[in-house]
Amino acid sequence: EDKVVQSPLSLVVHEGDTVTLNCSYEVTNFRSLLWYKQEKKAPTFLFMLTSSGIEKKSGRLSSILDKKELFSILNITATQTGDSAVYLCTTAPIREQGGKLIFGQGTELSVKP
Amino acid sequence: EAQVTQNPRYLITVTGKKLTVTCSQNMNHEYMSWYRQDPGLGLRQIYYSMNVEVTDKGDVPEGYKVSRKEKRNFPLILESPSPNQTSLYFCASSSVRDRGLETQYFGPGTRLLVL
Repeated sequence: EDKVVQSPLSLVVHEGDTVTLNCSYEVTNFRSLLWYKQEKKAPTFLFMLTSSGIEKKSGRLSSILDKKELFSILNITATQTGDSAVYLCTTAPIREQGGKLIFGQGTELSVKP
Repeated sequence: EAQVTQNPRYLITVTGKKLTVTCSQNMNHEYMSWYRQDPGLGLRQIYYSMNVEVTDKGDVPEGYKVSRKEKRNFPLILESPSPNQTSLYFCASSSVRDRGLETQYFGPGTRLLVL
């Protein structure tokens, strides 16, 4: 059975710290791995990763996919209280496999002042 | 403005009373999907639709029905709600390119309480 596992499930850090969130997967044949940020509302898109080894960056956030070791990481440097949220990762299938998405449980990040 | 809308946003109901949660998108997306979110379980997919008149089960379809008669709308129907369907529900839509799904746009969520 396909699954996506995120770790840690929760994390408390102080402003300025750097954090690394992990997403490992056991999914055969997917098109992309996606990261979302969820504050007290709907998830918002962060990154889409389709190729192994190519880092995506957006400000203090970056992410990379390793298709050989079957994981992705999301890095946040110089964390701010506004980074407090649940971070979700999911795999999106290739077209021939339809539209079933598999989400991890999420990592709840809390950044203290 | 590109968006996914859901109604109602909050709903309290009683066991067995049929309800429908509507979902509409204005981005001409082929793909639409329903999720439920429960503490510690992340998002779990209920049903999805690759296009009009095409629907398929996700991971947790039991107790739910959907229909896709028009491209923009994808209602979620609970024929006989039970307390274990108390949850936060999200609708989402996405474009489908040659290789598959692109990023999803999520609705604001519907918080359902079944007594």
